[in-house]
Amino acid sequence: QQQVKQSPQSLIVQKGGIPIINCAYENTAFDYFPWYQQFPGKGPALLIAIRPDVSEKKEGRFTISFNKSAKQFSLHIMDSQPGDSATYFCAASKGDTGFQKLVFGTGTRLLVSP
Amino acid sequence: DTGVSQNPRHKITKRGQNVTFRCDPISEHNRLYWYRQTLGQGPEFLTYFQNEAQLEKSRLLSDRFSAERPKGSFSTLEIQRTEQGDSAMYLCASTLGHVPRDEQYFGPGTRLTVT
Repeated sequence: QQQVKQSPQSLIVQKGGIPIINCAYENTAFDYFPWYQQFPGKGPALLIAIRPDVSEKKEGRFTISFNKSAKQFSLHIMDSQPGDSATYFCAASKGDTGFQKLVFGTGTRLLVSP
Repeated sequence: DTGVSQNPRHKITKRGQNVTFRCDPISEHNRLYWYRQTLGQGPEFLTYFQNEAQLEKSRLLSDRFSAERPKGSFSTLEIQRTEQGDSAMYLCASTLGHVPRDEQYFGPGTRLTVT
């Protein structure tokens, strides 16, 4: 049962390009949507997160766009660099009790060519 | 390094053997999570501790799996009678727990290979 669907599975862009990774969710109770970056041999690291009361959030070169009615959100990486080459995961969770079971997408392997 | 640490980083075992992994969370983090990540997939939630209490378990956590967090510090995840399907990366994450939505800091994981 995949509650968060992520696409594309892999992506190649040239340096300076703007890769876009998309995610769609099913559970309308989700109210927290983070993006994680994972390098080989490392654990996932939080990049940026959004709540459904805003449609866009920017942090540095990373932007999340959120469409609540479509139940979709996406990650844009501005001026991408070879160092951004990694696997990116979207995730979602629900509830304000403090316990956050993150439900992850299947990941997008990004390669930024020099 | 004051991040989440996990040991061992790699474990190769034969089917049927028992294995135990350890997670040391960031000091003073009172919430600890275990996830499992198979090749080409995102992490999947296994279990959650608040201090020493195990408050949530996924149905993925069969009776061959047991997790503990004695004294609310480090945590161990034991798999008994390992099967080839248990081969995966086992990730631990911790959070401070003072506010909702605080960031989950992940460790580097333990990669298990069952032959």
